[in-house]
Amino acid sequence: QVQLQESGPGLVKPSQTLSLTCTVSGGSISSGGYYWNWIRQHPGKGLEYIGYIDYSGSTYYNPSLKSRVTISRDTSRNHFSLKLTSVTAADTAVYFCARDHRGGLGWFDPWGRGTLVTVSS
Amino acid sequence: DIQMTQSPSSLSASVGDRITITCRASQSISNYLNWYQQKPGKAPKFLIYDASGLQSGVPSRFSGSGSGTDFTLTISSLQPEDFASYYCQQSYSAPRTFGQGTKLEIK
Repeated sequence: QVQLQESGPGLVKPSQTLSLTCTVSGGSISSGGYYWNWIRQHPGKGLEYIGYIDYSGSTYYNPSLKSRVTISRDTSRNHFSLKLTSVTAADTAVYFCARDHRGGLGWFDPWGRGTLVTVSS
Repeated sequence: DIQMTQSPSSLSASVGDRITITCRASQSISNYLNWYQQKPGKAPKFLIYDASGLQSGVPSRFSGSGSGTDFTLTISSLQPEDFASYYCQQSYSAPRTFGQGTKLEIK
């Protein structure tokens, strides 16, 4: 059974870079044809899709965040990462990682528990 | 981007009630519509894929229907554990987008 777990700093200063890692257990991120995603949820709000890295290392970013987002992976550690540059208070959110079914245009299952990142000085 | 609009935004109901949540897409998405349940402080839980496919392990009181632009999630007989927020999500085109959510509360 695949499980995902987010990790990273819970507090980031404005204008700095948010960095999170999603560690995957129970399956390899470089096989199976799966896509590995980041999704965020602003406090008390809905869900916003950030982007993915697929089993081959190809990436896709939501155009609304594309200029600031990088998703990468470390296959030796079986984890993938999110970097979001030049953060502002508007980037305060719970960040989730999730696996994708159906080649980047499917549903998300399973999800990590999520990690709250607060942008504040 | 395809906009997803859910109604109602909130709903009060009692255990045993039958409820329906609606999700409307800003353009046709065929049947590429998924549903999630989220409880406070938890990650979303995947319920239904492709408008009407029930994820393994999800109780049969949950059902989905629709195609094109209009979709529904129905819970046939509410149980105490069903009180949560529900989100629809389109998987027709990138970027994938979610509805704003429907909060289901106990009356």
